[in-house]
Amino acid sequence: AQTVTQSQPEMSVQEAETVTLSCTYDTSESDYYLFWYKQPPSRQMILVIRQEAYKQQNATENRFSVNFQKAAKSFSLKISDSQLGDAAMYFCAYRGDNTDKLIFGTGTRLQVFP
Amino acid sequence: NAGVTQTPKFQVLKTGQSMTLQCAQDMNHEYMSWYRQDPGMGLRLIHYSVGAGITDQGEVPNGYNVSRSTTEDFPLRLLSAAPSQTSVYFCASSYIRGRVYNSPLHFGNGTRLTVT
Repeated sequence: AQTVTQSQPEMSVQEAETVTLSCTYDTSESDYYLFWYKQPPSRQMILVIRQEAYKQQNATENRFSVNFQKAAKSFSLKISDSQLGDAAMYFCAYRGDNTDKLIFGTGTRLQVFP
Repeated sequence: NAGVTQTPKFQVLKTGQSMTLQCAQDMNHEYMSWYRQDPGMGLRLIHYSVGAGITDQGEVPNGYNVSRSTTEDFPLRLLSAAPSQTSVYFCASSYIRGRVYNSPLHFGNGTRLTVT
């Protein structure tokens, strides 16, 4: 069975600095999709960024980028120029090509200090 | 667009009571699912469906029932609530694989359920 591991329960960053959130996963599938979701205090789940495993190029969305290392089964999220509004829980998620199910990690709580 | 609508937002039950959490989506998504979110455990899949009339179990299905009579609706039923079911529940939907690759999940705003 596929698993997703987020080993950092909490992280903190100074405003305008860069922070990287870690995510590793375990799978025997060759094709799959990876996602980062953000959950602010409002409880809403917001898609931040997604990556297809067959693409070698790392996905980027404005200040958010990923470092996708397929051989190492690693999918970290980098937030540049951190803003106070980035403070939230961040969840890494995996979806295999042979299933519609999305499997989540346990989350990383990010604090942003002014 | 309404997206994914969950009701109620909050609910308090007594042990042994039953209730249904409602979920509706207006995006014509085939895939719908229910998750529960507990501190330190992330989101865990309860049940899911890939179309009307089709449901399947996720990681933590015990104590919950679902049905999918229409594409739009996917209610979650607690037959006899227990304190262990105190949690935040999310409904989420998407297109199925093969129709739109890499289709992300769209989430409802969640239901906070407390069982005393």
